[in-house]
Amino acid sequence: DAGITQSPRHKVTETGTPVTLRCHQTENHRYMYWYRQDPGHGLRLIHYSYGVKDTDKGEVSDGYSVSRSKTEDFLLTLESATSSQTSVYFCAISQLTGEGEQFFGPGTRLTVL
Amino acid sequence: GQQVMQIPQYQHVQEGEDFTTYCNSSTTLSNIQWYKQRPGGHPVFLIQLVKSGEVKKQKRLTFQFGEAKKNSSLHITATQTTDVGTYFCAGLNNAGNMLTFGGGTRLMVKP
Repeated sequence: DAGITQSPRHKVTETGTPVTLRCHQTENHRYMYWYRQDPGHGLRLIHYSYGVKDTDKGEVSDGYSVSRSKTEDFLLTLESATSSQTSVYFCAISQLTGEGEQFFGPGTRLTVL
Repeated sequence: GQQVMQIPQYQHVQEGEDFTTYCNSSTTLSNIQWYKQRPGGHPVFLIQLVKSGEVKKQKRLTFQFGEAKKNSSLHITATQTTDVGTYFCAGLNNAGNMLTFGGGTRLMVKP
C-alpha cells in the first residue's frame, strides 16, 4: 500500500463544533484529494490540491475548507459540523491529475451528533 | 455537472457464476478507471481505459470502454469468494482535473 495515513480514524463530535481531519503521505505525490463516501453515492470529491497552497473545489465543497502548507499534508476542516456531514472521509493521492491511479488512505469515520 | 451512473447497485451470485456491472456517463469521458473496495476497506485501483472501444483483461476480469467513450463495463468470469466487494467506475472529465465516481455495484458471492 502507498504511504498514506489519515487521522483520526474515528471521530464522534457534536453539531456546531469544528473538526479537522489530516491526511499525510510519504510518496511525494503532487496531487491530493478529499472524498466523502455515503451509501448509494459512491465517492464524491470535496476538494483537491495540485501543489503546496494550491487547492480547488470539488463537487460537494460547501461547509468544508482545506489547507496544504507542505507537500505531505492535506487538512480538511469542517468549520461547524452538521449531521449531514456524518460520513466516511477518504484522502487520496496521485502523481498525475486525473490520469493514472489514485491511491487511497484508510479512511476516517466521522459521526456528527 | 458530469454524472456517472452505475448499475446494478447490488448483485448476489453463486460462486462460479459470471458478473457484470455497467457504467454510464452523461458526458463524454477522457478516460475511465475502475476501483474495488473490500468490505471495511479503501478503494483500490484496478485499471484505466483511455481509447474508444478499448478492451483490457486481467485474469478473469474484462473491462470495456464504449465507442462513444460514455459507457464502460466490468465483467467477471466464474466469480470466486475473493471477488466480494464494491466495484466503482470513475470517469475523468474532459478538463482532465476531476474524477466522478459512480455509485458502485456491491457484489456478494455465495459459496
